[in-house]
Amino acid sequence: DTEVTQTPKHLVMGMTNKKSLKCEQHMGHRAMYWYKQKAKKPPELMFVYSYEKLSINESVPSRFSPECPNSSLLNLHLHALQPEDSALYLCASSQAGTGLHRHGYTFGSGTRLTVV
Amino acid sequence: EDKVVQSPLSLVVHEGDTVTLNCSYEVTNFRSLLWYKQEKKAPTFLFMLTSSGIEKKSGRLSSILDKKELFSILNITATQTGDSAVYLCAAPLYNTNAGKSTFGDGTTLTVKP
Repeated sequence: DTEVTQTPKHLVMGMTNKKSLKCEQHMGHRAMYWYKQKAKKPPELMFVYSYEKLSINESVPSRFSPECPNSSLLNLHLHALQPEDSALYLCASSQAGTGLHRHGYTFGSGTRLTVV
Repeated sequence: EDKVVQSPLSLVVHEGDTVTLNCSYEVTNFRSLLWYKQEKKAPTFLFMLTSSGIEKKSGRLSSILDKKELFSILNITATQTGDSAVYLCAAPLYNTNAGKSTFGDGTTLTVKP
């Protein structure tokens, strides 16, 4: 299995809602990532988990809360979002550490989030 | 500050043309450069290049890195409409920022029939 699976594919939520984005991979990758991508811009890193521990948080607002329950799963919990948070949220995985330099990231298809 | 710059930002060609996309980089402790193709959603991996200078090829696509001049090119020959996409290059960082990459802004390629 060489895929990263993200659910849901589309999500519309109100500013007072709580929702979660899910990401799953079974490639044995021990690094997992959340990226945010706005239209016509490159992916922007939000969080990195390495061996199930949060290793990088790119000063993301607390209304985004990541969780890595095990080595195959990554969640992003959303609460009290703003309309400007509307974007494509991409999950990615890779081999940890220097492995990233040999094989790169595998991206999921993303969740298109609209905050109304 | 680490930097990856892609050019051109957009390009329109006709089917059958050959295109060259550029990616220059200034990255501390450089290890590798990644090329991705992004259509509607997920970026899909194309190539990984290192300072070895070895050219990578896959069908009509090829890429090479010049470690002296700090840039990489992605060539697409005999372009097809299915090549229309955003092409991203990224340089993974090393050491304490392992996992993080500096991305270029991408080149939007449009191939017209």
